[in-house]
Amino acid sequence: AQSVTQLDSQVPVFEEAPVELRCNYSSSVSVYLFWYVQYPNQGLQLLLKYLSGSTLVKGINGFEAEFNKSQTSFHLRKPSVHISDTAEYFCAVSDGSGGSYIPTFGRGTSLIVHP
Amino acid sequence: GAGVSQSPRYKVAKRGQDVALRCDPISGHVSLFWYQQALGQGPEFLTYFQNEAQLDKSGLPSDRFFAERPEGSVSTLKIQRTQQEDSAVYLCASKISGSFTDTQYFGPGTRLTVL
Repeated sequence: AQSVTQLDSQVPVFEEAPVELRCNYSSSVSVYLFWYVQYPNQGLQLLLKYLSGSTLVKGINGFEAEFNKSQTSFHLRKPSVHISDTAEYFCAVSDGSGGSYIPTFGRGTSLIVHP
Repeated sequence: GAGVSQSPRYKVAKRGQDVALRCDPISGHVSLFWYQQALGQGPEFLTYFQNEAQLDKSGLPSDRFFAERPEGSVSTLKIQRTQQEDSAVYLCASKISGSFTDTQYFGPGTRLTVL
């Protein structure tokens, strides 16, 4: 069965500083990994996804993530954050177990960017 | 074009009442998903449609929950005899096809509060 752990419930950071949001997954088969962002009172928006190929994935708004199979991780990074990046970030995994590709989401990490 | 829309955005129900939540997916999108997002948690899968066919309803928590998509476009999630534990944000998402590689587009959600 697939599962996702987001190790930090909240990450405070100053504007223009780098940030890393951690995500670890558990699955016994090949996985597909996603990061979503949720702004207040809005639905989730896809930031980036890993399906295959290069383990470094670039997404929207300057975010990137690296798939590390040996460490079962898919951490999200941004070299310089803006106030507008303040939001909830969700990691999700889909492994096709049982023929279903329904994603399992983590509990989310709240990124708080201070001026 | 227009994104996924959901109505109502907020719903307050007394325990025991029935509620109906509506989702208008992006026009032409084949796949439609419903998720439940409890406070401080990530979205949890409820059910999935491909056109009008409900292919997976394994996430529906009880037989009080029922979803339909009779013409393969608009979908309604119905909760009968609401309980306090049903309080959550209900998210709808759609995809252009049934392929797992396609991006899910989320609506803003309906926040249900059961008193």
